[in-house]
Amino acid sequence: DAGVTQSPTHLIKTRGQQVTLRCSPISGHKSVSWYQQVLGQGPQFIFQYYEKEERGRGNFPDRFSARQFPNYSSELNVNALLLGDSALYLCASSQTGLVDYGYTFGSGTRLTVV
Amino acid sequence: DAKTTQPTSMDCAEGRAANLPCNHSTISGNEYVYWYRQIHSQGPQYIIHGLKNNETNEMASLIITEDRKSSTLILPHATLRDTAVYYCIVITREGKLIFGQGTELSVKP
Repeated sequence: DAGVTQSPTHLIKTRGQQVTLRCSPISGHKSVSWYQQVLGQGPQFIFQYYEKEERGRGNFPDRFSARQFPNYSSELNVNALLLGDSALYLCASSQTGLVDYGYTFGSGTRLTVV
Repeated sequence: DAKTTQPTSMDCAEGRAANLPCNHSTISGNEYVYWYRQIHSQGPQYIIHGLKNNETNEMASLIITEDRKSSTLILPHATLRDTAVYYCIVITREGKLIFGQGTELSVKP
């Protein structure tokens, strides 16, 4: 079975541009969460979606947005990119997104803003 | 939200048990403790989780103190491939993972 897939694996953007990152959860998983990991730090929670509804949001500016599609895949959008947005962006999927079930992470998208 | 405290780094000899401590003194009664590890900035890999009781699986054992304020992850026979950053995570009932800084474990020959 395929795990959590994220695309692209790497990309470079210029300050002020917009970027869209994509995530496909494990088959049967209905929840997707997004995390930002700056170099040398632990991942920070950005969003959680379940059944296309936003269930949780972390302490990130409104430049960050996300959505979940009927097939449970998800996109993370970041507008007006700043140098500080350079990070590894991780997607995690779970059956329900609640604590009783495990979370499986993808390999991430490495975003570099120049 | 509860937070976790872990040592920044630890060394372990290959073949010996690696014991990684974690403090989560502000954990709530319905919050779980999960352990993940991350190798070379890949996605974090699930190891084990628990609520109150000790747990064991094919990868590791998790010992949770009776007051739930701390826990220890045990890798019974560490190998070089276990070198990674290990995260002790408290998960809220709603499923939000709160990562700390993690422990960088170096397994040495």
